[in-house]
Amino acid sequence: SYELTQPPSVSVSPGQTARITCSADALPKQYAYWYQQKPGQAPVVVIYKDSERPSGIPGRFSGSSSGTKVTLTISGVQAEDEADYYCQSADSSGTYVAFGGGTKLTVL
Amino acid sequence: EVQLEQSGAEVKKSGESLKISCQGSGYSFTSYWIAWVRQMPGKGLEWMGNIYPGDSDTRYSPSFQGQVTISADESIFTAYLQWSSLKASDTAMYFCARLRYDSSGWGLDYWGQGTLVTVSA
Repeated sequence: SYELTQPPSVSVSPGQTARITCSADALPKQYAYWYQQKPGQAPVVVIYKDSERPSGIPGRFSGSSSGTKVTLTISGVQAEDEADYYCQSADSSGTYVAFGGGTKLTVL
Repeated sequence: EVQLEQSGAEVKKSGESLKISCQGSGYSFTSYWIAWVRQMPGKGLEWMGNIYPGDSDTRYSPSFQGQVTISADESIFTAYLQWSSLKASDTAMYFCARLRYDSSGWGLDYWGQGTLVTVSA
């Protein structure tokens, strides 16, 4: 099955920049999406189509893509950004959806 | 406003059957795929499969093929996830989400609140 690889954890101090990466073979062909999930809540999309930000998502969230890697960047991290973040994409044929394993962002 | 409303929590015994639901509103239900996502306790998100209510075209993750059945009733804007014989390892939160295609990309833009399924041995 298709796999996306994320680091299990990232830690930053408030006000710093957090970067979460996601790697997979088909990312040059398929867009990536990023979801934020806080405990006891459903996921919320924070970035779609690699770098687009939905309305209502703060401007400190941004996304970028380079080859087989995509990156979620949170600039000026706030305590409320502490959550699990998941990347999601599809295989090269667009048949199968897949999630990364998730990254726990800790705000120190 | 797009909304996906899921059925309530379930407590079942191993070997029992179960069908949970996800009702869409605020958009054209037959024009978007609905995906099901599993989250086991303390674990990550897993795509199970998705259905296009317009024609009932269904795709399953290889990990879930044969383990569950995804269906939909377009007349009541509802998608379903069902098990014929539950196992304790099916204990998890199950989310439905609207899956949209954005030219070379599949993304989940709206999510249900989740249905907690607890299966005792």
